[in-house]
Amino acid sequence: EAGVAQSPRYKIIEKRQSVAFWCNPISGHATLYWYQQILGQGPKLLIQFQNNGVVDDSQLPKDRFSAERLKGVDSTLKIQPAKLEDSAVYLCASSRLSGQGGSPLHFGNGTRLTVT
Amino acid sequence: KNQVEQSPQSLIILEGKNCTLQCNYTVSPFSNLRWYKQDTGRGPVSLTIMTFSENTKSNGRYTATLDADTKQSSLHITASQLSDSASYICVVSDRGSTLGRLYFGRGTQLTVWP
Repeated sequence: EAGVAQSPRYKIIEKRQSVAFWCNPISGHATLYWYQQILGQGPKLLIQFQNNGVVDDSQLPKDRFSAERLKGVDSTLKIQPAKLEDSAVYLCASSRLSGQGGSPLHFGNGTRLTVT
Repeated sequence: KNQVEQSPQSLIILEGKNCTLQCNYTVSPFSNLRWYKQDTGRGPVSLTIMTFSENTKSNGRYTATLDADTKQSSLHITASQLSDSASYICVVSDRGSTLGRLYFGRGTQLTVWP
């Protein structure tokens, strides 16, 4: 099966600019996650979708971050305006059921964002 | 507070040697624990999952153990190879449903030298 696709692979922007990331999960996977991974740390959940509904967005900085999952398939994550501390790798993951229930998360290779 | 702590933070071993990575958690209730391998510049990949009733599970040269009483897990790598160089992340789930959460450790960075 094809893996989780993410684009772009790298992005460099200046602070206060906006940026968007795209994710195409594995076909048939109902659950989709966006994680932020700062260098040397484990991934931190930003938002979890079940089909096209939001399950958990409690750690999403909603004043600057937004995400949507259209038709329960592809998803986009947007940052507007970006801050220096947003520099990180943004990982998208999908699972057939929920990862909490034991289904493994399948991760994309991430988008490395650098904010200057 | 639900936490996952991994040790050591980093480890360097010679090719062919064995090593053991540790994961201690305070997550409660407990549903399952999964070990992921993350190569540089790639997303994490699942190695193995442990549920409450399982003590040991192997996946090739990787063997995971779980002690649910002491809330500890270990990942043992046998006869290490250069390709084992990666970050190994321990992830604990508190409930077996979408109502639950996944708790990530910071990972152990393993470097295998020739």
